[in-house]
Amino acid sequence: ETGVTQSPTHLIKTRGQQVTLRCSSQSGHNTVSWYQQALGQGPQFIFQYYREEENGRGNFPPRFSGLQFPNYSSELNVNALELDDSALYLCASSTGGTGGRETQYFGPGTRLLVL
Amino acid sequence: DQQVKQNSPSLSVQEGRISILNCDYTNSMFDYFLWYKKYPAEGPTFLISISSIKDKNEDGRFTVFLNKSAKHLSLHIVPSQPGDSAVYFCAASSGAGSYQLTFGKGTKLSVIP
Repeated sequence: ETGVTQSPTHLIKTRGQQVTLRCSSQSGHNTVSWYQQALGQGPQFIFQYYREEENGRGNFPPRFSGLQFPNYSSELNVNALELDDSALYLCASSTGGTGGRETQYFGPGTRLLVL
Repeated sequence: DQQVKQNSPSLSVQEGRISILNCDYTNSMFDYFLWYKKYPAEGPTFLISISSIKDKNEDGRFTVFLNKSAKHLSLHIVPSQPGDSAVYFCAASSGAGSYQLTFGKGTKLSVIP
């Protein structure tokens, strides 16, 4: 059983650029959640996808968008990058459909630096 | 406004002794709680969870206690091992159709050999 994988591991962008981060969910999981972890903080929920539909969104602006594909892998897109977007971006997968009590399993993250 | 608080940024414990990590929450709708462990350059790893219908859950060396009236939970690690040195995050969910985990800022545990 493969775990959650993310690519790339590290990325450097300049302010105003756009970035796409990718996540492959754990085998058998149909739900993917994305989190942003700034330095010294806990992860903050960005949004979740369940069976290719956005299933909820945290307090992030519309320039943060996502997709989920039929194989349940997912992308996080961030437009018009700002310096404050520099963070570790974590993807988590879960089985979904159990009323919010399923455990989310995290990937290793993508470290994004915006200059 | 932090809904999940881990007030101790760090904790040092001797190998073999008990480690106690604490977490407080403010949102009364939270009814499912999880602890994750994170090593540098890795994603958080799930450790143990507890539903609000219980006050204790045990898994090997790890026990989580929940005090709903105090809105407080704690993670006990007995005995502590050097490999337990990591950052521990407390997370909460309001269950029943909810989808997001709300995390604390984490506590860095150092287990000294």
